[in-house]
Amino acid sequence: EPEVTQTPSHQVTQMGQEVILRCVPISNHLYFYWYRQILGQKVEFLVSFYNNEISEKSEIFDDQFSVERPDGSNFTLKIRSTKLEDSAMYFCATSSSGNTIYFGEGSWLTVV
Amino acid sequence: DAKTTQPPSMDCAEGRAANLPCNHSTISGNEYVYWYRQIHSQGPQYIIHGLKNNETNEMASLIITEDRKSSTLILPHATLRDTAVYYCIVRVGKGQTGANNLFFGTGTRLTVIP
Repeated sequence: EPEVTQTPSHQVTQMGQEVILRCVPISNHLYFYWYRQILGQKVEFLVSFYNNEISEKSEIFDDQFSVERPDGSNFTLKIRSTKLEDSAMYFCATSSSGNTIYFGEGSWLTVV
Repeated sequence: DAKTTQPPSMDCAEGRAANLPCNHSTISGNEYVYWYRQIHSQGPQYIIHGLKNNETNEMASLIITEDRKSSTLILPHATLRDTAVYYCIVRVGKGQTGANNLFFGTGTRLTVIP
């Protein structure tokens, strides 16, 4: 069964450093999303991306976050200057039509 | 915020049907009911969704009441691997404002007991 692939599975970074999380979507999927889950809390929407632009973003997705699809396949989330409170599991998700959304297994980010 | 209410936890005996209820009394006519589950902090897994008709797939059945104010997810023969947090999510259709945002509440923690 096709799946969304995320790398790295776990990253530890120092506060203030830049982090890039990568996602390989399911083939032929055109809608891309990032969600995050702080330990013990709910899964939260960050951003959606379609047709090479952001279609929707939450208030969590501030100027330190950015997304892009640099090579037409990978979908990346960049955190420019990480803070302690950015420590969370980050889930990439994709959809073929914008209806059913399929999630990856997540990238666990620890900021120290 | 989440528009659904679910019991925080439930137990089910292995091999029996697990019936997970969800209240969504403020659901609008253009909103779908989606069910996802999350096994031990893995990525949320899509289960099933519906608008007003009952739906069935290889994983589960979804029963939506006629007034659409509540629904029940049925796992017909629960196994130990079905132990997870189950999320009932109300979501507008594609193309409408908020369609991208799956609001995950706290869900129901289902424990399947041997």
